[in-house]
Amino acid sequence: GQQVMQIPQYQHVQEGEDFTTYCNSSTTLSNIQWYKQRPGGHPVFLIQLVKSGEVKKQKRLTFQFGEAKKNSSLHITATQTTDVGTYFCAAGNKLTFGGGTRVLVKP
Amino acid sequence: KAGVTQTPRYLIKTRGQQVTLSCSPISGHRSVSWYQQTPGQGLQFLFEYFSETQRNKGNFPGRFSGRQFSNSRSEMNVSTLELGDSALYLCASSLAFQKLNTEAFFGQGTRLTVV
Repeated sequence: GQQVMQIPQYQHVQEGEDFTTYCNSSTTLSNIQWYKQRPGGHPVFLIQLVKSGEVKKQKRLTFQFGEAKKNSSLHITATQTTDVGTYFCAAGNKLTFGGGTRVLVKP
Repeated sequence: KAGVTQTPRYLIKTRGQQVTLSCSPISGHRSVSWYQQTPGQGLQFLFEYFSETQRNKGNFPGRFSGRQFSNSRSEMNVSTLELGDSALYLCASSLAFQKLNTEAFFGQGTRLTVV
């Protein structure tokens, strides 16, 4: 079945710094979705990418879908304490989730 | 409009018992998916229902089953509970069962502890 791998598993970031989390698949993906789960909360939809090479921005968050549609990235600039949580990528009709990147912010 | 509602929020059961979890999707949403979330295995897909029919199924044993009613509400049942079934069970609703161009809205989850 479809599998998506996320790296890194953990990301410790100094407040104000940038970071990137990556999502990789061995197969071509029809779409990729990104979700954020705050500690103690539930996953909340952030964005969906469908087209090869697509780039979408949401304020300080930039999402990218690879040209071969086998990988995706989420880049956050000027990290804030509100960015704390686990970021998941998910793909396919069954929404196969990656293992997530848990983001911890150091003030 | 109201979000996805899952009941109960917390549950403690004994090994060997069975449990039924409930999920009420967002009004107008006909697809309900269930996920199991554990620290070790992450978010794993259980199954998806659309118009009262199971459309997709994950790799879980037959002890895990579900159903969907005509009002789109869904229930998930786990029989002969094992310690390893302790997890957060999340329900997600969406407009269609094809996830392309449709986002999933998650409920708060049911935290199941098996002792």
